[in-house]
Amino acid sequence: AAGVIQSPRHLIKEKRETATLKCYPIPRHDTVYWYQQGPGQDPQFLISFYEKMQSDKGSIPDRFSAQQFSDYHSELNMSSLELGDSALYFCASSLRDRDEKLFFGSGTQLSVL
Amino acid sequence: LAKTTQPISMDSYEGQEVNITCSHNNIATNDYITWYQQFPSQGPRFIIQGYKTKVTNEVASLFIPADRKSSTLSLPRVSLSDTAVYYCLVGDTADFNKFYFGSGTKLNVKP
Repeated sequence: AAGVIQSPRHLIKEKRETATLKCYPIPRHDTVYWYQQGPGQDPQFLISFYEKMQSDKGSIPDRFSAQQFSDYHSELNMSSLELGDSALYFCASSLRDRDEKLFFGSGTQLSVL
Repeated sequence: LAKTTQPISMDSYEGQEVNITCSHNNIATNDYITWYQQFPSQGPRFIIQGYKTKVTNEVASLFIPADRKSSTLSLPRVSLSDTAVYYCLVGDTADFNKFYFGSGTKLNVKP
Protein backbone atom coordinates (compact mmCIF):
# COMPACT_ATOMS: atom_id res chain seq x y z
CA ALA A 1 0.00 0.00 0.00
CA ALA A 2 1.14 3.52 -0.76
CA GLY A 3 2.55 5.47 2.16
CA VAL A 4 3.37 9.08 2.93
CA ILE A 5 6.48 10.14 1.04
CA GLN A 6 8.79 12.85 2.29
CA SER A 7 11.76 14.39 0.57
CA PRO A 8 14.58 14.87 1.02
CA ARG A 9 15.42 12.21 3.59
CA HIS A 10 18.38 14.23 4.88
CA LEU A 11 19.20 17.91 4.52
CA ILE A 12 22.20 19.87 5.71
CA LYS A 13 22.04 23.66 5.81
CA GLU A 14 23.95 26.50 7.37
CA LYS A 15 22.60 29.18 9.67
CA ARG A 16 20.45 31.82 7.99
CA GLU A 17 19.88 29.64 4.93
CA THR A 18 16.47 28.48 3.72
CA ALA A 19 15.10 24.97 3.34
CA THR A 20 12.06 23.41 1.69
CA LEU A 21 10.65 20.09 2.80
CA LYS A 22 8.14 18.21 0.66
CA CYS A 23 5.39 15.78 1.59
CA TYR A 24 3.27 13.59 -0.65
CA PRO A 25 0.25 12.20 1.21
CA ILE A 26 -1.40 8.84 0.77
CA PRO A 27 -3.70 8.97 -2.30
CA ARG A 28 -7.20 10.25 -1.49
CA HIS A 29 -6.12 11.65 1.88
CA ASP A 30 -7.34 15.20 2.24
CA THR A 31 -5.43 16.36 5.32
CA VAL A 32 -1.73 16.92 5.91
CA TYR A 33 0.06 17.58 9.21
CA TRP A 34 3.60 18.73 9.92
CA TYR A 35 5.49 17.82 13.09
CA GLN A 36 8.93 18.69 14.43
CA GLN A 37 10.80 16.28 16.69
CA GLY A 38 14.04 17.27 18.35
CA PRO A 39 16.49 14.70 19.75
CA GLY A 40 14.92 12.83 22.65
CA GLN A 41 11.74 14.89 22.45
CA ASP A 42 8.13 14.13 21.60
CA PRO A 43 6.70 15.18 18.21
CA GLN A 44 5.54 18.80 18.26
CA PHE A 45 2.62 19.76 16.05
CA LEU A 46 3.43 22.62 13.69
CA ILE A 47 0.55 23.09 11.25
CA SER A 48 -2.10 21.23 9.29
CA PHE A 49 -4.02 21.62 6.05
CA TYR A 50 -7.41 20.33 5.03
CA GLU A 51 -8.50 20.49 1.40
CA LYS A 52 -5.63 22.87 0.58
CA MET A 53 -6.55 25.35 3.30
CA GLN A 54 -4.73 25.81 6.60
CA SER A 55 -6.88 24.17 9.24
CA ASP A 56 -4.92 24.34 12.48
CA LYS A 57 -1.75 25.97 13.70
CA GLY A 58 0.53 24.75 16.44
CA SER A 59 3.98 25.88 17.52
CA ILE A 60 5.22 26.86 14.08
CA PRO A 61 7.75 29.73 14.13
CA ASP A 62 7.01 32.83 12.06
CA ARG A 63 10.11 32.00 10.00
CA PHE A 64 8.35 28.90 8.74
CA SER A 65 5.48 28.72 6.29
CA ALA A 66 3.65 25.90 4.60
CA GLN A 67 1.05 25.24 1.98
CA GLN A 68 -0.89 22.43 0.40
CA PHE A 69 -1.14 22.34 -3.38
CA SER A 70 -3.90 21.28 -5.74
CA ASP A 71 -2.48 17.74 -5.94
CA TYR A 72 -2.60 17.66 -2.10
CA HIS A 73 1.15 17.53 -1.65
CA SER A 74 2.51 19.96 0.91
CA GLU A 75 5.70 21.94 1.36
CA LEU A 76 7.20 23.34 4.54
CA ASN A 77 9.37 26.38 3.87
CA MET A 78 11.89 27.35 6.50
CA SER A 79 13.86 30.59 6.37
CA SER A 80 16.63 32.18 8.45
CA LEU A 81 17.51 28.77 9.78
CA GLU A 82 18.84 28.54 13.33
CA LEU A 83 20.85 25.83 15.03
CA GLY A 84 17.77 24.96 17.09
CA ASP A 85 15.85 24.07 13.95
CA SER A 86 17.90 20.89 13.65
CA ALA A 87 15.35 18.12 14.07
CA LEU A 88 13.36 15.40 12.39
CA TYR A 89 10.41 16.82 10.50
CA PHE A 90 7.51 14.48 9.97
CA CYS A 91 4.58 14.81 7.68
CA ALA A 92 1.40 12.85 8.27
CA SER A 93 -1.72 12.49 6.19
CA SER A 94 -5.23 11.38 6.96
CA LEU A 95 -8.75 11.19 5.69
CA ARG A 96 -10.66 13.62 7.87
CA ASP A 97 -13.38 11.95 9.86
CA ARG A 98 -14.41 11.54 13.49
CA ASP A 99 -12.18 8.48 13.86
CA GLU A 100 -9.34 10.12 11.99
CA LYS A 101 -6.04 8.22 11.99
CA LEU A 102 -2.71 9.79 11.08
CA PHE A 103 -0.24 8.02 8.82
CA PHE A 104 3.31 9.33 9.06
CA GLY A 105 6.14 9.53 6.59
CA SER A 106 9.72 8.54 7.36
CA GLY A 107 10.67 12.14 8.03
CA THR A 108 13.32 14.60 6.89
CA GLN A 109 16.38 14.94 9.10
CA LEU A 110 17.42 18.59 8.99
CA SER A 111 20.83 19.52 10.31
CA VAL A 112 21.68 23.21 10.64
CA LEU A 113 25.39 23.89 11.00
CA LEU B 1 -2.39 21.21 26.06
CA ALA B 2 -1.79 17.46 26.23
CA LYS B 3 -4.82 15.72 27.68
CA THR B 4 -3.13 12.45 28.51
CA THR B 5 -0.80 11.03 31.15
CA GLN B 6 1.31 7.91 30.67
CA PRO B 7 4.16 6.26 32.56
CA ILE B 8 7.52 7.54 31.34
CA SER B 9 9.00 4.09 30.91
CA MET B 10 8.35 0.38 31.36
CA ASP B 11 10.55 -2.71 31.27
CA SER B 12 9.49 -6.15 30.15
CA TYR B 13 10.92 -9.45 28.99
CA GLU B 14 10.39 -11.27 25.74
CA GLY B 15 7.24 -13.37 25.67
CA GLN B 16 5.45 -11.39 28.37
CA GLU B 17 2.22 -9.48 27.99
CA VAL B 18 2.66 -5.73 28.41
CA ASN B 19 -0.09 -3.35 29.49
CA ILE B 20 0.42 0.41 29.15
CA THR B 21 -2.20 2.61 30.74
CA CYS B 22 -3.08 6.13 29.67
CA SER B 23 -5.11 8.53 31.82
CA HIS B 24 -7.42 10.99 30.10
CA ASN B 25 -9.68 12.35 32.82
CA ASN B 26 -11.09 15.17 30.68
CA ILE B 27 -12.04 13.05 27.68
CA ALA B 28 -14.98 14.50 25.77
CA THR B 29 -18.03 12.63 24.54
CA ASN B 30 -16.90 12.62 20.90
CA ASP B 31 -13.23 11.84 21.56
CA TYR B 32 -11.57 8.73 20.19
CA ILE B 33 -8.51 7.14 21.79
CA THR B 34 -5.64 6.38 19.42
CA TRP B 35 -2.29 4.73 20.13
CA TYR B 36 0.86 5.17 18.08
CA GLN B 37 4.22 3.38 18.21
CA GLN B 38 7.48 5.11 17.36
CA PHE B 39 10.91 3.62 16.74
CA PRO B 40 14.01 5.87 16.84
CA SER B 41 14.34 8.11 13.78
CA GLN B 42 11.06 6.85 12.31
CA GLY B 43 7.62 8.40 12.09
CA PRO B 44 4.96 7.30 14.57
CA ARG B 45 2.93 4.33 13.39
CA PHE B 46 -0.78 3.85 14.05
CA ILE B 47 -1.40 0.81 16.27
CA ILE B 48 -5.01 0.82 17.38
CA GLN B 49 -7.99 3.08 18.00
CA GLY B 50 -11.11 2.75 20.10
CA TYR B 51 -14.07 4.61 21.51
CA LYS B 52 -15.36 2.29 24.23
CA THR B 53 -15.12 -1.26 25.62
CA LYS B 54 -12.54 -3.44 23.87
CA VAL B 55 -10.91 -3.34 20.47
CA THR B 56 -8.55 -5.99 19.14
CA ASN B 57 -6.49 -6.19 15.97
CA GLU B 58 -3.60 -8.32 14.80
CA VAL B 59 -1.10 -6.26 16.79
CA ALA B 60 -2.72 -5.24 20.07
CA SER B 61 -5.82 -4.89 22.20
CA LEU B 62 -7.25 -1.72 23.64
CA PHE B 63 -9.33 -1.81 26.80
CA ILE B 64 -11.51 1.18 27.67
CA PRO B 65 -13.59 1.19 30.87
CA ALA B 66 -17.13 2.49 30.95
CA ASP B 67 -16.15 5.95 32.25
CA ARG B 68 -13.53 6.27 29.46
CA LYS B 69 -11.19 8.21 31.75
CA SER B 70 -8.37 5.81 31.01
CA SER B 71 -7.37 3.22 28.47
CA THR B 72 -4.94 0.31 28.43
CA LEU B 73 -2.91 -0.81 25.47
CA SER B 74 -2.15 -4.52 25.71
CA LEU B 75 0.68 -6.05 23.71
CA PRO B 76 0.64 -9.86 23.83
CA ARG B 77 3.92 -11.78 24.00
CA VAL B 78 6.28 -8.89 23.29
CA SER B 79 9.55 -9.37 21.44
CA LEU B 80 12.74 -7.30 21.32
CA SER B 81 11.37 -5.53 18.24
CA ASP B 82 8.54 -4.06 20.31
CA THR B 83 11.05 -1.82 22.09
CA ALA B 84 9.75 1.64 21.18
CA VAL B 85 7.91 4.69 22.49
CA TYR B 86 4.14 4.36 22.70
CA TYR B 87 1.89 7.41 22.56
CA CYS B 88 -1.76 7.75 23.52
CA LEU B 89 -3.74 10.52 21.79
CA VAL B 90 -7.28 11.59 22.59
CA GLY B 91 -9.58 13.75 20.52
CA ASP B 92 -11.81 13.94 17.47
CA THR B 93 -12.04 16.01 14.31
CA ALA B 94 -13.30 19.08 16.15
CA ASP B 95 -10.79 18.78 18.97
CA PHE B 96 -7.51 20.55 18.37
CA ASN B 97 -5.84 18.56 21.14
CA LYS B 98 -5.95 15.43 19.04
CA PHE B 99 -2.91 16.71 17.19
CA TYR B 100 -0.74 16.88 20.28
CA PHE B 101 1.60 14.12 21.36
CA GLY B 102 2.14 14.09 25.10
CA SER B 103 5.04 12.34 26.76
CA GLY B 104 4.89 8.77 25.60
CA THR B 105 5.92 5.55 27.32
CA LYS B 106 9.35 4.15 26.53
CA LEU B 107 8.97 0.37 26.51
CA ASN B 108 12.19 -1.57 26.88
CA VAL B 109 11.92 -5.29 26.12
CA LYS B 110 14.78 -7.38 27.45
CA PRO B 111 15.86 -10.85 26.29
